[in-house]
Amino acid sequence: ETGVTQTPRHLVMGMTNKKSLKCEQHLGHNAMYWYKQSAKKPLELMFVYSLEERVENNSVPSRFSPECPNSSHLFLHLHTLQPEDSALYLCASSQNSLGANVLTFGAGSRLTVL
Amino acid sequence: KNEVEQSPQNLTAQEGEFITINCSYSVGISALHWLQQHPGGGIVSLFMLSSGKKKHGRLIATINIQEKHSSLHITASHPRDSAVYICAVEGVYNDMRFGAGTRLTVKP
Repeated sequence: ETGVTQTPRHLVMGMTNKKSLKCEQHLGHNAMYWYKQSAKKPLELMFVYSLEERVENNSVPSRFSPECPNSSHLFLHLHTLQPEDSALYLCASSQNSLGANVLTFGAGSRLTVL
Repeated sequence: KNEVEQSPQNLTAQEGEFITINCSYSVGISALHWLQQHPGGGIVSLFMLSSGKKKHGRLIATINIQEKHSSLHITASHPRDSAVYICAVEGVYNDMRFGAGTRLTVKP
């Protein structure tokens, strides 16, 4: 248990479904991240939130919608996804988003889009 | 070409062997991270370094800023070290770039 909890761990959804991934940390960190890990590809940064404000969005399609209601919780809302969106989605947190920071990762949510 | 290159992609070793995984990068960085990913997906941060060398138990990480190169060494390897090891560099604008990972299998 790293201190970053992701739910659900596994999710299967159709292309017309709406679902959400949840991430929670109680480490007192101020920055939270969503990463995507597709098969045989490096990790890709999707979103960065610092003190609940989005500070980076790496040209992610609008069918992925992040939400950070407070510094302990981060959501990734999913809508009309494509099969190529099937991947492991990893949440991470760090003390800050600026400067060199150690990342603490969650266990990931493995998403399959049918 | 990925800005972060790891070698080898796959590595099989016998228990007890000394292991080296290499990482080369082509961008300016503020820090380099070594991560470990076990089957099932969870990632653990092993090291964050910006110069010199760090040691934690049987793991040693080194970085040469001038050569833009880092190595992760595992001494007295054990089957429980089997995992994917990922090198990641934190750019000067705090953007992270990841290597494709090195899959290590340590056989008993």
